Amino acid sequence: EIVLTQSPATLSLSSGERATLSCRASQSVDSYLAWYQLRPGQAPRLLIYDASKRATGTPARFSGSGSGTDFTLTISSLEPGDFAVYYCQQRTSWPPMWTFGGGTRVEI
Amino acid sequence: QLQLRESGSGLVKPSQTLSLTCAVSGDSVSSGEYSWSWLRQPPGGALEWIAYIYRTGTTYYSPSLQTRVSISLDKAKNQFSLELTSVTAADTAVYYCARVSEDTYYFDFWGQGTLVTVSS
Repeated sequence: EIVLTQSPATLSLSSGERATLSCRASQSVDSYLAWYQLRPGQAPRLLIYDASKRATGTPARFSGSGSGTDFTLTISSLEPGDFAVYYCQQRTSWPPMWTFGGGTRVEI
Repeated sequence: QLQLRESGSGLVKPSQTLSLTCAVSGDSVSSGEYSWSWLRQPPGGALEWIAYIYRTGTTYYSPSLQTRVSISLDKAKNQFSLELTSVTAADTAVYYCARVSEDTYYFDFWGQGTLVTVSS
């Protein structure tokens, strides 16, 4: 089973600052990696898929990069609504299975 | 406008069966572009994928839960359901239903989640 390790566990930043979140896979996942945002009381939201493609409605300040085992989610300039928990997730092609990282909390 | 709404028992006794339903509006569970899934997040823990059902009814389960879990599709009611048997306190979590794009195989739309507590 592929294990995803996210770092740091918590990122303390201010509005307007740049956030850089890391996700490392225990073996190559090619580019089959997504990023989700979870805010309390709200439905989780797909931000980035296939490592670098923005999902519909994802603002341009969110960008994803990487392939193989090392991936990064960058928020270029934090807005108040961006303070949340972010999870990376990988999928296998067949049979379909999905695993998540442990999450990174971005806090003020 | 697409909506996924989870419903079911919020409190389940240990060893009993957890049952949840996800009502879909604004899309059809029989559509040619999407499949459906259940996930969960325990208190203070990470997201975990539980089960997946293709629109034809083919199912896949998390290896760690596959002996206790079942997912089903009700096309007439436009909903899908989850059953988890022999629950313990470790099954206490917020349970989410989600839509899976068959183009990308990611969870592109989620319900708001429902908390299920396992306690006597």
